[in-house]
Amino acid sequence: SQQGEEDPQALSIQEGENATMNCSYKTSINNLQWYRQNSGRGLVHLILIRSNEREKHSGRLRVTLDTSKKSSSLLITASRAADTASYFCATDVGGANSKLTFGKGITLSVRP
Amino acid sequence: EAGVVQSPRYKIIEKKQPVAFWCNPISGHNTLYWYLQNLGQGPELLIRYENEEAVDDSQLPKDRFSAERLKGVDSTLKIQPAELGDSAVYLCASSPRQGARETQYFGPGTRLLVL
Repeated sequence: SQQGEEDPQALSIQEGENATMNCSYKTSINNLQWYRQNSGRGLVHLILIRSNEREKHSGRLRVTLDTSKKSSSLLITASRAADTASYFCATDVGGANSKLTFGKGITLSVRP
Repeated sequence: EAGVVQSPRYKIIEKKQPVAFWCNPISGHNTLYWYLQNLGQGPELLIRYENEEAVDDSQLPKDRFSAERLKGVDSTLKIQPAELGDSAVYLCASSPRQGARETQYFGPGTRLLVL
């Protein structure tokens, strides 16, 4: 079963614009992670935010987490054609049953 | 540092045939995962190993799927016999004991097509 649900399913923007992707989940979590997957390749970890954190930055990436709404957002600023990929949020309940549960992903297309 | 290595990258077989996938995790990573990714979906965990012990195989279809991780390093995932619905990408990932242990490092995957 997939806990995270990303929104929108697909996003197309112009190079230089910002891209915002959202993720909602159902149960309490220990942390939430965002991964990127380029066409035909494996997933690459982008950023991890813990349940006691509200915002994290990594380069052009900004992630927020609202545990009261059980939602997270990923913002990519000043997008580049190379950002074209599928983006997945994954939740981890932590503890002995720690494992990632992925959403279906968001397809981002950045037009040059 | 070498990443997670998987082979083969692509495999085409006929239904009812057996197939095996191999994974070599990042050196020093104790935890190893096998995921199944269907087209247009996110990865779904099949099995998780801590060293050589399978600590979570609740999602592994044990009637046809099997996995092993001898000596706590390399791992093999097997399907016997394969069915049409097994066509998917099989991803292997690993994570370290220390440091960012929640972060998983994925291999490129094996794309399986069952005809």
